[in-house]
Amino acid sequence: KQEVTQIPAALSVPEGENLVLNCSFTDSAIYNLQWFRQDPGKGLTSLLLIQSSQREQTSGRLNASLDKSSGRSTLYIAASQPGDSATYLCAVGDYKLSFGAGTTVTVRA
Amino acid sequence: GAGVSQSPSNKVTEKGKDVELRCDPISGHTALYWYRQSLGQGLEFLIYFQGNSAPDKSGLPSDRFSAERTGGSVSTLTIQRTQQEDSAVYLCASSSAPGQGGYGYTFGSGTRLTVV
Repeated sequence: KQEVTQIPAALSVPEGENLVLNCSFTDSAIYNLQWFRQDPGKGLTSLLLIQSSQREQTSGRLNASLDKSSGRSTLYIAASQPGDSATYLCAVGDYKLSFGAGTTVTVRA
Repeated sequence: GAGVSQSPSNKVTEKGKDVELRCDPISGHTALYWYRQSLGQGLEFLIYFQGNSAPDKSGLPSDRFSAERTGGSVSTLTIQRTQQEDSAVYLCASSSAPGQGGYGYTFGSGTRLTVV
């Protein structure tokens, strides 16, 4: 069974600092990895999708890397803003996703 | 539609009543999924549809839970004889098939179910 772990569970940084969120998974035979953002009381917003043949994806200030051999992915958010405050979830799988518990980020103005 | 639409957004029901939750996926997305997020729990897979068939319904917690999809589009999740432990946010997602961007999910905003 795929186990997905996210570290740290919570993170508080001053505005402008770069964020580094970590995700690890136990089964490297993944189909793809997806990072989501969840705001309180809301659904999930897809941020980045990395297919198994890819090593990284970038969108604006966000960059996600994937290292299947070590079972790790890292989400980098550059120059954080208060609007980046949310819970970030990592998920791996094919049609069925296994989710981590998330990292709750607070960016202080 | 432009996104995945779920209704109702909130539902309060009495223990023992039946509820129906609706999901309208992105037009053209052949795959549809239901997940559940309980307080303090992670996201839990319930069921996967490809077209109108459900090749994987292994996550449904009990036989009180059922789901159907019609016309390769709208899906309904039905919970019979609701119990307090069914209180959760029920999330629906859809995706295109492999080879068309992979299984990139788009989630709806969810239905918050409260059983009193």
